[in-house]
Amino acid sequence: QQQVKQSPQSLIVQKGGIPIINCAYENTAFDYFPWYQQFPGKGPALLIAIRPDVSEKKEGRFTISFNKSAKQFSLHIMDSQPGDSATYFCAASAYNQGGKLIFGQGTELSVKP
Amino acid sequence: DGGITQSPKYLFRKEGQNVTLSCEQNLNHDAMYWYRQDPGQGLRLIYYSQIVNDFQKGDIAEGYSVSREKKESFPLTVTSAQKNPTAFYLCASSLKGGSYNSPLHFGNGTRLTVT
Repeated sequence: QQQVKQSPQSLIVQKGGIPIINCAYENTAFDYFPWYQQFPGKGPALLIAIRPDVSEKKEGRFTISFNKSAKQFSLHIMDSQPGDSATYFCAASAYNQGGKLIFGQGTELSVKP
Repeated sequence: DGGITQSPKYLFRKEGQNVTLSCEQNLNHDAMYWYRQDPGQGLRLIYYSQIVNDFQKGDIAEGYSVSREKKESFPLTVTSAQKNPTAFYLCASSLKGGSYNSPLHFGNGTRLTVT
């Protein structure tokens, strides 16, 4: 029940395309859903996050869509650029369960010029 | 410049030796975490601490130990009991527990290789 399942494992798109990464969870106590971006040899950096009372959040070219009834959320990257090539992780936590972030398995995104 | 410092960046050890990974933060955060990253498995929680002198096991604590004697420091010891210690280790901190108003900030990791 603590798992967060992420797909796909890898994704290749052309510049300007819209990669979509999906995550699913079971724990209904989760109340925080961030996405992290990681470049090789670096630690993950917070990209965007959403709370379950909101169905969509946009920050620049990045959008989170959240479906509470389906227990799914996804990341869309509009007008993707080669500089977006990185590994993306979804995560979830429950404040009343210690706030521990549970991560998905990661998606390696490659944006071709 | 506020942040999380992990040292060293690369660490090599012989099998059977204990090794300690350093993590220091100057963000004045209460909570600190250790994650392990392996290819295709995401980040898995080893230990976390929400306050000085207190810490809890995460999902994969076997073969690891931690201490939290100071707010800014949370060292991780990889013991000889850890069956497969070669991995990328990430330290993180947050103001309180991970939440919308208290996101996790990560260091740049230590890559440990045990031969």
